Amino acid sequence: AQSVTQPDIHITVSEGASLELRCNYSYGATPYLFWYVQSPGQGLQLLLKYFSGDTLVQGIKGFEAEFKRSQSSFNLRKPSVHWSDAAEYFCAVTNNNDMRFGAGTRLTVKP
Amino acid sequence: DTGVSQDPRHKITKRGQNVTFRCDPISEHNRLYWYRQTLGQGPEFLTYFQNEAQLEKSRLLSDRFSAERPKGSFSTLEIQRTEQGDSAMYLCASRVPGSSYNEQFFGPGTRLTVL
Repeated sequence: AQSVTQPDIHITVSEGASLELRCNYSYGATPYLFWYVQSPGQGLQLLLKYFSGDTLVQGIKGFEAEFKRSQSSFNLRKPSVHWSDAAEYFCAVTNNNDMRFGAGTRLTVKP
Repeated sequence: DTGVSQDPRHKITKRGQNVTFRCDPISEHNRLYWYRQTLGQGPEFLTYFQNEAQLEKSRLLSDRFSAERPKGSFSTLEIQRTEQGDSAMYLCASRVPGSSYNEQFFGPGTRLTVL
């Protein structure tokens, strides 16, 4: 069965510092992988997606993610965090039907 | 606005009452999904439709939960005899047919509070 693990429940970074959010997945075939961001009380906004091709994918708001099949990982990165990036981040995998989400990583940005 | 819309955004009800939520997907998106999100967790898949056909409903949480999409456009999610444990955010998403990435577009959610 497909599953997603986000090992970090909460991360705090200083504004301007780099960021990496971890995501590990378990899936029997080539997965469709996603990162979504959710602000308090809001729905989910798609940051980026991966299915095939270049393993380094670029998304919106300056985010990127790298697919590493050997590590079953799809970590999200940003070189310089802005205060507006404070939110909850979810990694997800789908098999064309339902989408499985990780438990999320809450990002706090210090001034 | 051409995104996924959900109504109401907030619902407060007393235990034992029935509630119904509505989701309007992005126009021409033939797949529609319902998720539940509890505090501190990621969304949990409940059910999905392709046009008016409900293709997966075994993941609905109990027989108190039901969903419809009678004309293949908007959908409703009903919870009968609500319990305090039903308090959560209920999210709807839709997907464009033939998308190579299977990405889903989410609505703002309906937050349910059961007193």
